[in-house]
Amino acid sequence: ETGVTQTPRHLVMGMTNKKSLKCEQHLGHNAMYWYKQSAKKPLELMFVYSLEERVENNSVPSRFSPECPNSSHLFLHLHTLQPEDSALYLCASSQGQGGGTEAFFGQGTRLTVV
Amino acid sequence: AQTVTQSQPEMSVQEAETVTLSCTYDTSESNYYLFWYKQPPSRQMILVIRQEAYKQQNATENRFSVNFQKAAKSFSLKISDSQLGDTAMYFCAFMTRETSGSRLTFGEGTQLTVNP
Repeated sequence: ETGVTQTPRHLVMGMTNKKSLKCEQHLGHNAMYWYKQSAKKPLELMFVYSLEERVENNSVPSRFSPECPNSSHLFLHLHTLQPEDSALYLCASSQGQGGGTEAFFGQGTRLTVV
Repeated sequence: AQTVTQSQPEMSVQEAETVTLSCTYDTSESNYYLFWYKQPPSRQMILVIRQEAYKQQNATENRFSVNFQKAAKSFSLKISDSQLGDTAMYFCAFMTRETSGSRLTFGEGTQLTVNP
């Protein structure tokens, strides 16, 4: 198993659909993150979970709903998305306490909203 | 708020030659970390090298080295003896030391192509 695994790798959904992205980390880390990577834009931090508690929400629309049931799993629930939400969604994890450690990323989910 | 700027959207280099990617950042923090990440076509974001702001010595990792100029807020990446596998998007990233996780601020990226 690789360190951080994301499923699915590709997702096409309509604007009225509900879907979920899944992230799993096998590194024993206690912090997990969702980033959005759009074309021609820097990666944007969406959510931060530390010790399963959401500690940051960077003004993300409510149509994105994260869930962290335990320290190894992170979900991003999607509903009534817009075409501009099409992007690569990257999950990452790190050993958060004490800070200063690098984040390990998954391979991302390529989301297309039609 | 921190910002990271990469002024070179695309660069190319011949195999075995040396190339330098530029990065500047803006912050009022004194204690922070800087990173270079590589994203090949597989989309996996891979850490290339990291630098701690309190260390004056430039970080080196095999063929990769940085030129960290703290006063100028500059953090460039030098790749020596470029290889075809170095072809990727390179991102400069900034992180403050916080107790509850690694919040990275990324630049827009530089697409590097290594030509045979």
